[in-house]
Amino acid sequence: DQQVKQNSPSLSVQEGRISILNCDYTNSMFDYFLWYKKYPAEGPTFLISISSIKDKNEDGRFTVFLNKSAKHLSLHIVPSQPGDSAVYFCAASGVGYQLIWGAGTKLIIKP
Amino acid sequence: DTGVSQDPRHKITKRGQNVTFRCDPISEHNRLYWYRQTLGQGPEFLTYFQNEAQLEKSRLLSDRFSAERPKGSFSTLEIQRTEQGDSAMYLCASSLSGVEAFFGQGTRLTVV
Repeated sequence: DQQVKQNSPSLSVQEGRISILNCDYTNSMFDYFLWYKKYPAEGPTFLISISSIKDKNEDGRFTVFLNKSAKHLSLHIVPSQPGDSAVYFCAASGVGYQLIWGAGTKLIIKP
Repeated sequence: DTGVSQDPRHKITKRGQNVTFRCDPISEHNRLYWYRQTLGQGPEFLTYFQNEAQLEKSRLLSDRFSAERPKGSFSTLEIQRTEQGDSAMYLCASSLSGVEAFFGQGTRLTVV
């Protein structure tokens, strides 16, 4: 079963506008959520995280929001830049030592 | 470069052959993870080491897969009698104490 879901395989956003990437989860035992960014032929790069006891975490242009009652989190990127074009993965921890990952959303920033 | 290093970057092997991958984590990191990623999917957990102890293994890790981390430093992942279904990107990651893991560039395995 897919415990972490990213329902949008791709997203296209105009440069300078806001990008919003979404993630849903099913396991209420998850206690930490992370976003990773991945370029082709490279490993994932850690972007930002949030503990389940918080509802928002901000780091520069990146903000992650967590809605525990809806089991939903989102990543906001403002303003979007061409270098943000990549695949974004949502991951969750709290079940053993592993991270459980969504399938990713490909973000395309249009000039 | 002080990041996670994986070797080789690419490996093409014939079905039935054995392959071994190496991962050198960030030097002070005591936690090391192996993941596998196929096209269009997120990484899938394979196994976890804390120092030299292998503390968790996924059911994905069949008997043909074995991982070691002697002396708690570098790690190796061996796949015996490779099958076409083993073709994937094998990712190694390390961390110190938090949940944020830092990944290497991966080893792309193609079984022909």
